[in-house]
Amino acid sequence: DVKVTQSSRYLVKRTGEKVFLECVQDMDHENMFWYRQDPGLGLRLIYFSYDVKMKEKGDIPEGYSVSREKKERFSLILESASTNQTSMYLCASRSPGASEKLLFGSGTQLSVL
Amino acid sequence: AQSVTQPDIHITVSEGASLELRCNYSYGATPYLFWYVQSPGQGLQLLLKYFSGDTLVQGIKGFEAEFKRSQSSFNLRKPSVHWSDAAEYFCALDSNYQLIWGAGTKLIIKP
Repeated sequence: DVKVTQSSRYLVKRTGEKVFLECVQDMDHENMFWYRQDPGLGLRLIYFSYDVKMKEKGDIPEGYSVSREKKERFSLILESASTNQTSMYLCASRSPGASEKLLFGSGTQLSVL
Repeated sequence: AQSVTQPDIHITVSEGASLELRCNYSYGATPYLFWYVQSPGQGLQLLLKYFSGDTLVQGIKGFEAEFKRSQSSFNLRKPSVHWSDAAEYFCALDSNYQLIWGAGTKLIIKP
C-alpha cells in the first residue's frame, strides 16, 4: 500500500528550539510539498521540492527551511520555533504534473509553548 | 487573482438528509478543480476531480459535484449523508500544477 509517512503525529516543543519534521514517501515521486493547516485558513504552502536537492518557496516560507537529500525524504525545519508556528503540518507527494494524484500524510500537530 | 472560496465554515445536516457544500473559484482559464475530504486525525483524501467534459462528476463515497462555469462554482453534493461523512471538506483549484485551497467546510452530522 503506497503511502506518505510523517514521523510524528504530535510534537510539543519550546520556543526557540530547532524542530525537524520528517516526511517519507515510498512511491518514487519527484514532487514533495509541505503545507500548514490552520482553522479557517485552509492549507497554505510552505515549501515544495521538484526533485532531489531542489526546493522552491511557497506562500509562507518565513521561519522555515527544508531539506531534500534523498528522493523519498523531505524534511521541514523550524530553525527557532515560535508560538505562531503552532499548527498542523501536512506533507504530500506526487508525480510531476499529476495534481489529481497528490497523496497526503496524516499530519503532524505541532505545539510550540 | 486566482482564489477558491468556501462560504460555509460549518454545516450541520441530519443523518439521511441531502448535502450540498459550496465552492466558488476565480481563475482566468478552464479550471481543474478538486474536492478533498479530511476525516478526524487523517490526511486529505481525493473525493473527485473535474478536468473537462461532463460537468457532473462522480466521486468516491457516493459524492458528486457539478461544475458551472457561468457561476464559477463547483459544488459538492450527496443525496443522503451518513454519520461517517462527518469530516472537513476542501475545494481546490489547480494553478500551474500548484493547488490553491479553500478554507474548508466542516460537516457535522446530527443523529
